[in-house]
Amino acid sequence: AQSVSQHNHHVILSEAASLELGCNYSYGGTVNLFWYVQYPGQHLQLLLKYFSGDPLVKGIKGFEAEFIKSKFSFNLRKPSVQWSDTAEYFCAVNAPPGAGSYQLTFGKGTKLSVIP
Amino acid sequence: GAVVSQHPSWVICKSGTSVKIECRSLDFQATTMFWYRQFPKQSLMLMATSNEGSKATYEQGVEKDKFLINHASLTLSTLTVTSAHPEDSSFYICSAPSEHAGVLDTQYFGPGTRLTVL
Repeated sequence: AQSVSQHNHHVILSEAASLELGCNYSYGGTVNLFWYVQYPGQHLQLLLKYFSGDPLVKGIKGFEAEFIKSKFSFNLRKPSVQWSDTAEYFCAVNAPPGAGSYQLTFGKGTKLSVIP
Repeated sequence: GAVVSQHPSWVICKSGTSVKIECRSLDFQATTMFWYRQFPKQSLMLMATSNEGSKATYEQGVEKDKFLINHASLTLSTLTVTSAHPEDSSFYICSAPSEHAGVLDTQYFGPGTRLTVL
């Protein structure tokens, strides 16, 4: 079975600092990759996703992620964080993608705290 | 985006009682829904896949007689925690997938239900 690793449990940054959250997955075949965000008191929302094509994908609120197949990684980045980015971030994998295969495997999440 | 609601948002019950949690897709139909359990500082653990008109599929280690799932319509799935015990206290989240050309596009998540069993 596939697994997803997020190595950073809690990241604390000052506003305007750059962010990179690591995500590695274990599955040798085709994968679809997702990052979800959970703001305090809110439900999980899609931040961005990668299915195919350009390995650098852009999402909402200035976030981007890069798929590196050789490293089984899908790291999330933002050049300059804001206090409003304080949230929990989850990496997820859909593998193998296909008809009727709608399950997601989640990483443990990374809590981001941005200090004003 | 699509909206998924859950009811109740929080519930406190006595040990030994049963609790029902509803998950509704408000503006789209979902033949499949997922139920997750989230422990503090941990990931979302998939409990089961709810299938409209057929039996739910449970993940390994999840007691199907303990966590009863009914997917009665294309917009409603319910999770009933039977004979709840304090160890069942957790945050339960449902989701409904959207697909495009037969492939998962994303999952839409409910806001979650906080269950506390005394």
